[in-house]
Amino acid sequence: TQLLEQSPQFLSIQEGENLTVYCNSSSVFSSLQWYRQEPGEGPVLLVTVVTGGEVKKLKRLTFQFGDARKDSSLHITAAQPGDTGLYLCAGAGGYQKVTFGTGTKLQVIP
Amino acid sequence: DTAVSQTPKYLVTQMGNDKSIKCEQNLGHDTMYWYKQDSKKFLKIMFSYNNKELIINETVPNRFSPKSPDKAHLNLHINSLELGDSAVYFCASSPYSGAGELFFGEGSRLTVL
Repeated sequence: TQLLEQSPQFLSIQEGENLTVYCNSSSVFSSLQWYRQEPGEGPVLLVTVVTGGEVKKLKRLTFQFGDARKDSSLHITAAQPGDTGLYLCAGAGGYQKVTFGTGTKLQVIP
Repeated sequence: DTAVSQTPKYLVTQMGNDKSIKCEQNLGHDTMYWYKQDSKKFLKIMFSYNNKELIINETVPNRFSPKSPDKAHLNLHINSLELGDSAVYFCASSPYSGAGELFFGEGSRLTVL
């Protein structure tokens, strides 16, 4: 069974602070995605990383895929209240199976 | 236009009843999924279909029966509902085989009393 552990589970920070969320697994994934989910809605795809060591930037968000393609991190610079939500990593494996991480609930306080 | 739409959005029912949730996607994707999100927000895969063919059946009780009449639709029927079935059920679709890029519906919150 492929498991993706995220840390921290909860994060409450002030507007303007930086933060990093980690996603770790013992399994290798062909690709890894990050999603953000807001209350009452489905998760929305933020980014896909495919190559070990890959770094992608999306405005204030920086995503990194581990060299061994088993882990990933999401760094947010100067967090804003609009960044509040549940962040989920997900790994794609065989047979079109997409396994989600345990989730990180982020609250950014104005 | 909603890309992935689920109905109903809310469903409240008694234990032992049978209920269905419908999902439609207009994105032209070949692969569709059902996920269950529990009260701790963990998303667990239940089923996936590729072009109407069942690909993944992830240790789900056989009270749950998915049906895909065509590649744009994936419905979920649940027999003999139990309290533990209460959750939010998400339908999703994906354009690529194994790429992991999922497009989700808004979810269907099922409450079993």
